[in-house]
Amino acid sequence: DTEVTQTPKHLVMGMTNKKSLKCEQHMGHRAMYWYKQKAKKPPELMFVYSYEKLSINESVPSRFSPECPNSSLLNLHLHALQPEDSALYLCASSQEGPYTDTQYFGPGTRLTVL
Amino acid sequence: GQNIDQPTEMTATEGAIVQINCTYQTSGFNGLFWYQQHAGEAPTFLSYNVLDGLEEKGRFSSFLSRSKGYSYLLLKELQMKDSASYLCAVRPYKAAGNKLTFGGGTRVLVKP
Repeated sequence: DTEVTQTPKHLVMGMTNKKSLKCEQHMGHRAMYWYKQKAKKPPELMFVYSYEKLSINESVPSRFSPECPNSSLLNLHLHALQPEDSALYLCASSQEGPYTDTQYFGPGTRLTVL
Repeated sequence: GQNIDQPTEMTATEGAIVQINCTYQTSGFNGLFWYQQHAGEAPTFLSYNVLDGLEEKGRFSSFLSRSKGYSYLLLKELQMKDSASYLCAVRPYKAAGNKLTFGGGTRVLVKP
């Protein structure tokens, strides 16, 4: 089973709202990722958690706040977003290993900021 | 820095073969991945190369030459459902963590 699940599938929010994106995997993977993808562009890495600790933050604005409550869950808290933050937000997970860490992606959350 | 190049778009006929090239210049190399992404959906893993040579998986094959900084994805017996974007991604040396650098993607259109 290589399934990563994400909720919600679609989200529309105003610039003053606070919302959260959720991601879950039950493959025993110890690394989890958040990506942002704009139309016709490749995914851009935002954050990496390794063994539930934040290991990479790609200089993402503080209006995006990640959280890893346990090894199966990853959240992305959103606050005071801008319209340009509208995108597909992808979660991925992988084994934490030097040679076998293929990343498996969830279906994504389509976010629209009004 | 990291630079990965692949063609923007390719068109092929159903039943034919298409080869998608990917060239990379990265500060290190610890593996190259190919993903397929249908419009509006998540990328799905196709193949992984870390040693030189050809990896075959059914209708899809991927080749790597580390000395040339070059890979290709070969799609045989094309089907309409193969119309998608194909992403080449390189993992730099392990010290960078599990960070992938993606190319811009190649949109493949399969025509009847």
